[in-house]
Amino acid sequence: GESVGLHLPTLSVQEGDNSIINCAYSNSASDYFIWYKQESGKGPQFIIDIRSNMDKRQGQRVTVLLNKTVKHLSLQIAATQPGDSAVYFCAEPGGSYIPTFGRGTSLIVHP
Amino acid sequence: EAEVAQSPRYKITEKSQAVAFWCDPISGHATLYWYRQILGQGPELLVQFQDESVVDDSQLPKDRFSAERLKGVDSTLKIQPAELGDSAMYLCASSFRRNTEAFFGQGTRLTVV
Repeated sequence: GESVGLHLPTLSVQEGDNSIINCAYSNSASDYFIWYKQESGKGPQFIIDIRSNMDKRQGQRVTVLLNKTVKHLSLQIAATQPGDSAVYFCAEPGGSYIPTFGRGTSLIVHP
Repeated sequence: EAEVAQSPRYKITEKSQAVAFWCDPISGHATLYWYRQILGQGPELLVQFQDESVVDDSQLPKDRFSAERLKGVDSTLKIQPAELGDSAMYLCASSFRRNTEAFFGQGTRLTVV
């Protein structure tokens, strides 16, 4: 069945380093992906999205890469800051148009 | 900046009692979602509305949960009776239309004792 999963449950980085969070999906027909950031005690916050007709999309300090061949996407955060510490989810609406979340990756940024 | 509003932020209720959560989506958003998030896991969909109609409630435990969006704007999620296992964060989200980014509220943290 369809699934969205993350490779690593926890990622620890030093402040100023670049962070890369990975996500795999199984539905080759998926055409839209969203990255969310969730801070403790808060709801998920939209970061960036990408459609399947793109390989890369950039935002402010964030870049999402989509590799449709291996059904993988990644979120890159440049110059990671302590405020980036949160759980990151990739979500895939899929054919049902319902954002479906994986388990999430906890990013810990050490000062 | 427009936000999804949820209330209450926190709710403690006793087992077997009724509890209700309210959500006001971003103005103009036709699609509304209710999710449940257990600590340490990703949000799981309970119900999706398109305007006032339920699009998907296949994961909603209908023996005790109900959701409505009578006028196609704000929505209420109810649990009766609450069970200990219902303790979780209940998140509401809305989107302009299906397959566009969904914006989440701050959630209601429910503790059943």
